[in-house]
Amino acid sequence: AQSVAQPEDQVNVAEGNPLTVKCTYSVSGNPYLFWYVQYPNRGLQFLLKYITGDNLVKGSYGFEAEFNKSQTSFHLKKPSALVSDSALYFCAVRDIAGFSGGYNKLIFGAGTRLAVHP
Amino acid sequence: ETGVTQTPRHLVMGMTNKKSLKCEQHLGHNAMYWYKQSAKKPLELMFVYSLEERVENNSVPSRFSPECPNSSHLFLHLHTLQPEDSALYLCASSQVAGGPDEQFFGPGTRLTVL
Repeated sequence: AQSVAQPEDQVNVAEGNPLTVKCTYSVSGNPYLFWYVQYPNRGLQFLLKYITGDNLVKGSYGFEAEFNKSQTSFHLKKPSALVSDSALYFCAVRDIAGFSGGYNKLIFGAGTRLAVHP
Repeated sequence: ETGVTQTPRHLVMGMTNKKSLKCEQHLGHNAMYWYKQSAKKPLELMFVYSLEERVENNSVPSRFSPECPNSSHLFLHLHTLQPEDSALYLCASSQVAGGPDEQFFGPGTRLTVL
């Protein structure tokens, strides 16, 4: 079965410091991995995705994520946090091998709230 | 915004009311989705439509009834809801259903059931 875990409910970072939001996943085959961000009273916005290729993926707003197959992780990172990065971040996974007979679901984590303090 | 619009943005309804949520995507996508987002719970997939055909009903109670008249529009008809159905309902679209492409989300409808 597919699953994704975001072990931290909240991450607190000082502005200008690097940030990491953690994500681990479990799929039976190879994964498609995604990060989304949600600002208050808004829908989810796509940040970046890993499909194949280079393990370091660069996305919107200076964010990047590193795919680590041996650790089954896809942590989101940014070298220098901004107060405006404060939001709810979701990791999601889809199992490539799962697309047979019916819809291949995108599974979301519970979310991590990022608070960046001035 | 991302090219996916939802109306209304806020809705308050009694348990005996009938209402509908509307979603429209302007991205030329072929797949559309309804999700439920409740406080402190992961995003719950409700329904998936691919080329106007429902391909997934994720064990959703019959008091929620989706409709997809064309690939650009998606509705969620609500009737005899319960207070625990209060949540943010998100619509999303993607180029295809189940592939590697990302989903684009609307701003959501905040539903309160009294």
